[in-house]
Amino acid sequence: GQQLNQSPQSMFIQEGEDVSMNCTSSSIFNTWLWYKQDPGEGPVLLIALYKAGELTSNGRLTAQFGITRKDSFLNISASIPSDVGIYFCAGRSSLAGSARQLTFGSGTQLTVLP
Amino acid sequence: SAVISQKPSRDICQRGTSLTIQCQVDSQVTMMFWYRQQPGQSLTLIATANQGSEATYESGFVIDKFPISRPNLTFSTLTVSNMSPEDSSIYLCSVAKTGFAYEQYFGPGTRLTVT
Repeated sequence: GQQLNQSPQSMFIQEGEDVSMNCTSSSIFNTWLWYKQDPGEGPVLLIALYKAGELTSNGRLTAQFGITRKDSFLNISASIPSDVGIYFCAGRSSLAGSARQLTFGSGTQLTVLP
Repeated sequence: SAVISQKPSRDICQRGTSLTIQCQVDSQVTMMFWYRQQPGQSLTLIATANQGSEATYESGFVIDKFPISRPNLTFSTLTVSNMSPEDSSIYLCSVAKTGFAYEQYFGPGTRLTVT
């Protein structure tokens, strides 16, 4: 089956620092989605990517769809305390029969230190 | 986007009982999904809720344990049957509107504890 490797598993950073996390896949994806989940809440969609090479920003967040279609990264600039949470990547495959399913990464737990 | 509500938000249930979780969306959506998120883990797809027909279950999940209904384009239920402590998880409803390249949104989740 499809596998998504998300790294790092956790990060501790100082407020104001930039953050980068990434996901790699064993197969080609046609969609990458990045979510943030706060404790006790459902995941909130941050950025959606649909084309190889696409670079999309949402405020201080920037995400890119890798040229190989097997990877994506998310950058957060000038981190603030409310950036704390778990960030998940999710990919949707091009494989026939699996077009509806999102495969999720294992998550990156981000802690922002004052 | 879509606004998704789930009921109940949390529950503590006895072993052997069943719980039905409701998912309501503020607009018609093409696809509705149910996910499980065990403590400290990522999200696992249980099934795709199909309107007017049986849900499509993923490997490891069966209809007898997780019966799903979807009577219309804005509502779905997931029942967790004959519960055991291993069913303690967050259950999440998720929706997508239409098209091939589409965004997918999640509800707030139902936190289930089985004692």
